[in-house]
Amino acid sequence: DAKTTQPPSMDCAEGRAANLPCNHSTISGNEYVYWYRQIHSQGPQYIIHGLKNNETNEMASLIITEDRKSSTLILPHATLRDTAVYYCIVRVKAAGNKLTFGGGTRVLVKP
Amino acid sequence: GAGVSQSPSNKVTEKGKDVELRCDPISGHTALYWYRQSLGQGLEFLIYFQGNSAPDKSGLPSDRFSAERTGGSVSTLTIQRTQQEDSAVYLCASSLGIVTGELFFGEGSRLTVL
Repeated sequence: DAKTTQPPSMDCAEGRAANLPCNHSTISGNEYVYWYRQIHSQGPQYIIHGLKNNETNEMASLIITEDRKSSTLILPHATLRDTAVYYCIVRVKAAGNKLTFGGGTRVLVKP
Repeated sequence: GAGVSQSPSNKVTEKGKDVELRCDPISGHTALYWYRQSLGQGLEFLIYFQGNSAPDKSGLPSDRFSAERTGGSVSTLTIQRTQQEDSAVYLCASSLGIVTGELFFGEGSRLTVL
């Protein structure tokens, strides 16, 4: 699976959009981009995933660049409960491929 | 229950003792995973099960670690002769299949080896 690079930490203001970047310059054509988050003392939680097109669900939006070498997770209106470690993972969507978690970005939402 | 259930939530044991950690996946989920997370560290893959296929044990750190999944549902992770470096949160996850990357995690079992 392709390696991802994320900033180790970032702060954002409550009520504002939080834009979390992820670089995956070696991503291959059949690898999807997945985002998970882990709130303190809880198990990781799936957020969203995508291949080429931008995706949106009730939690977040995922913007993938045209060359697919990077992506941005957008939390449209960050709340204090969004404080967590956010993991960007790339993975081939096929049998036998487990998710490999990197260091993630520690996001602190401030009032 | 609706989610992945793990027990015990906390376990304190003495070095050298064996421990068993249990995971009850979401009903109907055919894939089950074990990860561990040491204090302040990322998630480390241990093992996964998919249906009746042979499990992928590639992440097990030593032969003191083993896991079973009975009847395609409940799984038990066993650590024999525990060491202090085994102290971690052990997380179980399940998914509808191995192809999907949408895993549902439990709250974890915190193991402390004294």
